[in-house]
Amino acid sequence: QVQLQESGPGLVKPSGTLSLTCAVSGTSIRSNNWWSWVRQPPGKGLEWIGEIHHSGSTNYSPSLKSRLTISLDKSNNQFSLKLNSVTAADTAQYYCARELSPSGYNFFDYWGQGALVTVSS
Amino acid sequence: DIQMTQSPSSLSASVGDRVTITCRASQRIANYLNWYQQKPGQAPNLLVYAASSLQSGVPSRFSGSGSGTHFTLTISSLQPEDFGDYFCQQSYGTPYTFGQGTKLESK
Repeated sequence: QVQLQESGPGLVKPSGTLSLTCAVSGTSIRSNNWWSWVRQPPGKGLEWIGEIHHSGSTNYSPSLKSRLTISLDKSNNQFSLKLNSVTAADTAQYYCARELSPSGYNFFDYWGQGALVTVSS
Repeated sequence: DIQMTQSPSSLSASVGDRVTITCRASQRIANYLNWYQQKPGQAPNLLVYAASSLQSGVPSRFSGSGSGTHFTLTISSLQPEDFGDYFCQQSYGTPYTFGQGTKLESK
């Protein structure tokens, strides 16, 4: 069974760097999938952050691109998110998700349980 | 970016009701449209992909339709476990974007 688990600090200071890791089990991160990050501010909707392919190719949200790095750690079957220069607006529940694309239709079929990150001094 | 607009933003319904949620895209996206359900404190759960394909394990009372810019999610007979938030998402191209959500509550 595919499982994803986010981990990382729950509190980050303003202007600091938000770092999260998503550990994947039940499938290999080397499989022909994209792996995404999605966030949700408290009480609000979902925002796609970016994605990485097993080949290392990435796509980022234009609104976050200048501050964002998503990377793969194939040896540990996980992928990571780094968002720098954070502000209170980056406070959110952060989800990692597997992106499946059978026949060209992409969708998020497995999600982590989410990690709440608060930006505050 | 492609803007996704859901209506209504909130909806009150009773068990057994037929419920329809609408999602409109700011440009044509063919059938690159997914629907998710989210319950409090949980991650979103995929219901429908490619506008009308039911994800494995999702009850058949859920159905999706539409193409181009107009899409609907229908619950044929609302069950107690169906209350929660619903989001549409376009996968036509990155950046992927979601609708603002529809909160389905018990009347």
